[in-house]
Amino acid sequence: QKEVEQDPGPLSVPEGAIVSLNCTYSNSAFQYFMWYRQYSRKGPELLMYTYSSGNKEDGRFTAQVDKSSKYISLFIRDSQPSDSATYLCAMSRYNFNKFYFGSGTKLNVKP
Amino acid sequence: DTGVSQNPRHKITKRGQNVTFRCDPISEHNRLYWYRQTLGQGPEFLTYFQNEAQLEKSRLLSDRFSAERPKGSFSTLEIQRTEQGDSAMYLCASSDDPRDRGGYNEQFFGPGTRLTVL
Repeated sequence: QKEVEQDPGPLSVPEGAIVSLNCTYSNSAFQYFMWYRQYSRKGPELLMYTYSSGNKEDGRFTAQVDKSSKYISLFIRDSQPSDSATYLCAMSRYNFNKFYFGSGTKLNVKP
Repeated sequence: DTGVSQNPRHKITKRGQNVTFRCDPISEHNRLYWYRQTLGQGPEFLTYFQNEAQLEKSRLLSDRFSAERPKGSFSTLEIQRTEQGDSAMYLCASSDDPRDRGGYNEQFFGPGTRLTVL
């Protein structure tokens, strides 16, 4: 069993839709939770991070962590064609010595 | 250029050959990570350096893989006796000390080296 599970999609939505991306995990020692965006043939870039449980908002993006359910989410409001990419969740323990990534969800936002 | 750079960007080799990749992190970053990413998968952790010390290494890494970071600056990843299953994108990331960022570590990724083993 993988430590981090993520639905690979692909997910196709019309422009302006609300997108929900999710990951589950098994290791209760994870304390930092991150979402990365990766365009084709590029390295991942950090979108947001959250420490422990709770919500965090940044513009059109909202990250949620529910440690009791071992479940994290990323919501994208008013999605744009430029949001089309692969979204990766990632997790780490307190010391950041190792990061665990999900398999990525490929998102396509249609104009 | 203040980003993470990786060389070469592409490498094609024949099975059984040795290959070496280089990563130049952001200059003030003391942490450096290597990952492997195959098509349709997320990055898979390989190893982590803090300065020149290799502090974490994946159990998935076979003896054919070795990484170094002499003097805590650039890093090299070598794969000996390559196999077709080694074909992947090899990503490098760097970050500074979490204690300098209020307890959080943000990794900055390079563009990756794409390896094809024939």
